[in-house]
Amino acid sequence: NAGVTQTPKFRILKIGQSMTLQCTQDMNHNYMYWYRQDPGMGLKLIYYSVGAGITDKGEVPNGYNVSRSTTEDFPLRLELAAPSQTSVYFCASSHGGQPQHFGDGTRLSIL
Amino acid sequence: TQLLEQSPQFLSIQEGENLTVYCNSSSVFSSLQWYRQEPGEGPVLLVTVVTGGEVKKLKRLTFQFGDARKDSSLHITAAQPGDTGLYLCAGEGVETSYDKVIFGPGTSLSVIP
Repeated sequence: NAGVTQTPKFRILKIGQSMTLQCTQDMNHNYMYWYRQDPGMGLKLIYYSVGAGITDKGEVPNGYNVSRSTTEDFPLRLELAAPSQTSVYFCASSHGGQPQHFGDGTRLSIL
Repeated sequence: TQLLEQSPQFLSIQEGENLTVYCNSSSVFSSLQWYRQEPGEGPVLLVTVVTGGEVKKLKRLTFQFGDARKDSSLHITAAQPGDTGLYLCAGEGVETSYDKVIFGPGTSLSVIP
């Protein structure tokens, strides 16, 4: 099993550009999450999903959108990139209430 | 709003020393998880504690959940360079109706050979 796979690993965007961060998991987990990690700030929840077709906002959802059309995939969309969105983004999955499995992250810089 | 604090924020010690890091909150958690994160990688789960007062051991690491389920500690005996990393605690709240964990800011540990 590959676990949680995130692509790309690195990306540089210009202000105002858009992009989609991809996340896929092969563990048949019903719960999936997107976090951002800034230095000294821990992990902040952006969006989460408890199953295909169901998504909900986390702590810091502004500027992001998600969709969950399948159990395996949970892409994160940035529509108008802003410098404040420079961060490391982590996708995670779990069997609800069970420990979370994380991908290796996408390092995003917006210039 | 449930918040988790971790202390110390940074810790640099010599190989062979012992250390303890702390995770504290004013809120009660139904369970608490500890993760270790190495540079360029995602967090990896070390342990989950569920019962107040619970102690779990993982080789040289000892985890304790406070009696009131508001705090936790991680003690490392005879630290080794391989223990270097960011240690994150994460609490699963009792106030939420869904499975969402709240992460602390982490303790960055450096073990010098």
